Amino acid sequence: QKEVEQDPGPLSVPEGAIVSLNCTYSNSAFQYFMWYRQYSRKGPELLMYTYSSGNKEDGRFTAQVDKSSKYISLFIRDSQPSDSATYLCAMIPGGSYIPTFGRGTSLIVHP
Amino acid sequence: DSGVTQTPKHLITATGQRVTLRCSPRSGDLSVYWYQQSLDQGLQFLIQYYNGEERAKGNILERFSAQQFPDLHSELNLSSLELGDSALYFCASSVEGQSYGYTFGSGTRLTVV
Repeated sequence: QKEVEQDPGPLSVPEGAIVSLNCTYSNSAFQYFMWYRQYSRKGPELLMYTYSSGNKEDGRFTAQVDKSSKYISLFIRDSQPSDSATYLCAMIPGGSYIPTFGRGTSLIVHP
Repeated sequence: DSGVTQTPKHLITATGQRVTLRCSPRSGDLSVYWYQQSLDQGLQFLIQYYNGEERAKGNILERFSAQQFPDLHSELNLSSLELGDSALYFCASSVEGQSYGYTFGSGTRLTVV
């Protein structure tokens, strides 16, 4: 079992839909949780960062962490075709700064 | 442009050969990280350098090595290449001590034939 599990998709949604992307993990030492977005032929870019449990909102994006269930989510409201990309979750244990990445979920938002 | 520069963008080489990938970190960043991204393994951490010194090591093969120079640019050397080494290789940089906020380059796509 990998430390971080993420469904590779693809997830195809119509424009304007609410998108839910998820990761599960097995290492209870993870304390920092991040979401990266990766466009084709580009490197990942940091979207959201949260520490421990709770929610964080940034515009159309909401990151949610449930440490008791070892489950994190990224919600995208009013999805746009420009949101089409691969979304990778990443997690860092306390005392470290090297993240473990999920394999990424491919999202396609069609007009 | 993320500020992290990787060259070359594409590389095609034969099995058994050796290649060098280059990375210039974002201005002010002292740490450089190398990652390998493949379809089956996802993004795998290889190695980190901080201000010229090796700081952390991940799943890096013995055939691979890296170094960081005084001007902070870094090189990843891959030798005795195998077909399975075909992947995207990313460099990222960060300010030391940050536990988030990697800035990635656009990667080098290596194809071993």
